[in-house]
Amino acid sequence: DIVLTQSPLSLPVTLGQPASISCRSSQSLVDRDGNTYFNWFQQRPGRSPRRLIFKVFNRDSGVPDRFIGSGSGTAFTLTISGVEADDVAVYYCMQGTSWPFTFGQGTKLEI
Amino acid sequence: QITLKESGRTLVKPTETLTLTCTFSGFSLSTPGRAVGWIRQPPGKAPEWLTFIFWNNDNRYSPSLRSRLTISTDTAKSHVVLTMTNMAPVDTARYYCVHLDFWSGHGPLGASDFWGQGLLVTVSS
Repeated sequence: DIVLTQSPLSLPVTLGQPASISCRSSQSLVDRDGNTYFNWFQQRPGRSPRRLIFKVFNRDSGVPDRFIGSGSGTAFTLTISGVEADDVAVYYCMQGTSWPFTFGQGTKLEI
Repeated sequence: QITLKESGRTLVKPTETLTLTCTFSGFSLSTPGRAVGWIRQPPGKAPEWLTFIFWNNDNRYSPSLRSRLTISTDTAKSHVVLTMTNMAPVDTARYYCVHLDFWSGHGPLGASDFWGQGLLVTVSS
């Protein structure tokens, strides 16, 4: 299985300041078709996870442009350019390149 | 609009078999590229992919749970059923069904991700 390792696991932030979460993969996430099926999810308390970013840097519909995905190969980053109170949640990375698909351990964003 | 909803027993005893049903609408599981999957999430932990079934009835299972899982669909392809045998307390989790679209070009979850609300299953004697 591909292991995704997130850091940090807990991220205290100040409103309006940037925040970054790292996710490293145990092997390359580039698929045979040349695509990298790497995603970021947000999970608010009591809610189902919601995808924010697909294929490394593409924002899902309705996702604010303060959420920025970057990276390649085995190293990826989610940056929130200016944290808002609504962003308090747990963030997970997930790979859909190789079965079984896997999630990172999660990063809890706290104000 | 795509919707999914999980149903089944929410309290099972150790060694029992869990059976969950995913009832969905807004898409057809006969459409090439489509699939329905199951993901579980223990309280306070990360989600874990379990299995999915394709439009052509092919399927994939998590290697670590393969011997305990079965996924199936009814002849009308309007429901997807997950069974997990020999349940233990460590299997306590919220179980989600999700829509998959492998031909969208966006990755397995498709152009937009659709999840059920999840069903919290507790394993306890």
